[in-house]
Amino acid sequence: DTEVTQTPKHLVMGMTNKKSLKCEQHMGHRAMYWYKQKAKKPPELMFVYSYEKLSINESVPSRFSPECPNSSLLNLHLHALQPEDSALYLCASSPIRRGIYGDTQYFGPGTRLTVL
Amino acid sequence: AQSVTQLDSHVSVSEGTPVLLRCNYSSSYSPSLFWYVQHPNKGLQLLLKYTSAATLVKGINGFEAEFKKSETSFHLTKPSAHMSDAAEYFCVVSTIDPNDMRFGAGTRLTVKP
Repeated sequence: DTEVTQTPKHLVMGMTNKKSLKCEQHMGHRAMYWYKQKAKKPPELMFVYSYEKLSINESVPSRFSPECPNSSLLNLHLHALQPEDSALYLCASSPIRRGIYGDTQYFGPGTRLTVL
Repeated sequence: AQSVTQLDSHVSVSEGTPVLLRCNYSSSYSPSLFWYVQHPNKGLQLLLKYTSAATLVKGINGFEAEFKKSETSFHLTKPSAHMSDAAEYFCVVSTIDPNDMRFGAGTRLTVKP
């Protein structure tokens, strides 16, 4: 099963709200990713977790706070967002295998976020 | 550092005709190369990947791609387009850092009846 699930599918929030996006995979992958995708653009990497530890943070504003509570779950906590943060947020996972680079990332369907 | 360039932002074909989506890459190391497809308001689905085995890679839904080191290209082809192929296609390169995937800007494929 190569499925990554994301909830919710859609989210509308005000600039003062706090919300969370959830991502789950049961493929035993030990790398998980958050991407942001604006319309008609490729995904932009936000965060990478390897073995449940944050390994990459691509200079993302602190109003985005990732969390990896276990090897299957990845959350993205949102607080005080701006309208320009409206986008499709994609989660992905990949195996980490010694000596293998460029392994496949499997993507979830995304959460469409609208900030009012 | 690695990068990828998709040479066409938009390709339009008629149903039943061949599809060619072009991708050139730049990499200091032997790359892994991927093609992903994204239908409207959906996530990305892996079509195929090249990881230094056979240079002609077959993927899902009749797509294939050929890795040409001399031309630093990884073009995606399909002999006969179907209406359901209409989507955005991304060429992606990944090298020595398994966390570092570089996306091309994307090619929007339109299929006319």
